[in-house]
Amino acid sequence: DAGVIQSPRHEVTEMGQEVTLRCKPISGHNSLFWYRQTMMRGLELLIYFNNNVPIDDSGMPEDRFSAKMPNASFSTLKIQPSEPRDSAVYFCASSSLKTGAREQFFGPGTRLTVL
Amino acid sequence: TQLLEQSPQFLSIQEGENLTVYCNSSSVFSSLQWYRQEPGEGPVLLVTVVTGGEVKKLKRLTFQFGDARKDSSLHITAAQPGDTGLYLCAGLQGGSEKLVFGKGMKLTVNP
Repeated sequence: DAGVIQSPRHEVTEMGQEVTLRCKPISGHNSLFWYRQTMMRGLELLIYFNNNVPIDDSGMPEDRFSAKMPNASFSTLKIQPSEPRDSAVYFCASSSLKTGAREQFFGPGTRLTVL
Repeated sequence: TQLLEQSPQFLSIQEGENLTVYCNSSSVFSSLQWYRQEPGEGPVLLVTVVTGGEVKKLKRLTFQFGDARKDSSLHITAAQPGDTGLYLCAGLQGGSEKLVFGKGMKLTVNP
């Protein structure tokens, strides 16, 4: 069974450009999480969905960030306009409510560099 | 606000040495998870501890959850170069699905 799939793996863009990160969760998982990881702040939760519905977006930095989950097998995280301070590794993770321990399975991440 | 503090943040040791990583908080967690992350990859779950005072062993790794469910430790016996990586603790609060992560402990085991 394939794990969490993220694309692209690397993204280099210029300040002001729109960036879209994509995630395909593990089939059958009903929770999806978007994280950002930096050296300074570690791994931070941005937003999570349960059954395609956004449950908590309190970690989204500002209005430049938006996330959608149009169906159970796809989610996007969009940054518009991007800024150099958005440079980080963005992870998508999924989990199943059937697992009482709430184990999260992470994708390989997207390394974003905003010049 | 960093709810989970990990120490040490960095550790470089020789193969065969033992080490302990600590994860501390003033908050109570319903469960606590330990993840290991290698460069260029996402974190991978090692273990979940749920009961206060619980001890779990995974080969050379021993995990302990504090009695009050506010802290945890990871002990590695006879470390090997393959143990090199970033070790993250993460706590789950109440009925939420939100994991709160520590900043991690970067371990380097030299052959």
